[in-house]
Amino acid sequence: KQEVTQIPAALSVPEGENLVLNCSFTDSAIYNLQWFRQDPGKGLTSLLLIQSSQREQTSGRLNASLDKSSGRSTLYIAASQPGDSATYLCAVYNAGNNRKLIWGLGTSLAVNP
Amino acid sequence: GAGVSQSPSNKVTEKGKDVELRCDPISGHTALYWYRQSLGQGLEFLIYFQGNSAPDKSGLPSDRFSAERTGGSVSTLTIQRTQQEDSAVYLCASSPSHWVGQFFGPGTRLTVL
Repeated sequence: KQEVTQIPAALSVPEGENLVLNCSFTDSAIYNLQWFRQDPGKGLTSLLLIQSSQREQTSGRLNASLDKSSGRSTLYIAASQPGDSATYLCAVYNAGNNRKLIWGLGTSLAVNP
Repeated sequence: GAGVSQSPSNKVTEKGKDVELRCDPISGHTALYWYRQSLGQGLEFLIYFQGNSAPDKSGLPSDRFSAERTGGSVSTLTIQRTQQEDSAVYLCASSPSHWVGQFFGPGTRLTVL
C-alpha cells in the first residue's frame, strides 16, 4: 500500500531563506508526482508535476526533484517570500488503473517578513 | 469557466439530512475525481470517473455516499443521512490525462451539526 510522508510538518523561516521540503513514498511504482499549494480556506493550486521518467521540474523560484528508485522528492523554494506562506502538499499518482492521487499530510510553511 | 467549479462553497446541515455537492469539471476533461479533506487529516480519495467506464468507488467510506456523473461532465456527490464525522472539505478534480495532472476546484466545506 502506497504511503506518502512529508517532512517537516511545519516550518517557520525569515524572508529570503532558501527552503527544502521533503516528500517520501513507499512504493516506487508511480506514474507521476505532483506538488500542490493550499492556502487557508481555499482549494489546491498545482505547482509542479514531475513525470516518473523525469528527474526535476522548475517553475520560477520553485524546483522539484524526483528520485523514484529511492522514493523521494524535494521541493526547493529559492529566496522565500511572505507570500509563499501556505501548506505544501505532495501527492503521487497511483500506478493502478484509476490514477488516483495518494497524499502526504503537507508541510505548513510560514515565511516571516 | 476556465477552471473546475464546485457548489455550494459552504454547506451547513443537520445530522440525518441528505446533501448534494456539485462539481463542474473543465470542459473536455475525461477524468473526474472526488477527494475529502478532514480537519487534521490528509486528503483521501473517494471516487473516480473516467469517460464512460464504470466508476471506481473504492474510496467511498460507506454506502451513505454515492456519486454520479451525467453526460461525462457534471458530477454530483450525494451523502445520505449525514453524520458529524462527514464534516470535511470535499474537493473535486478533473484531468485530461495523468500526463498533465489533476486540476482542483475550490472545494465545498460541509459542516454537519
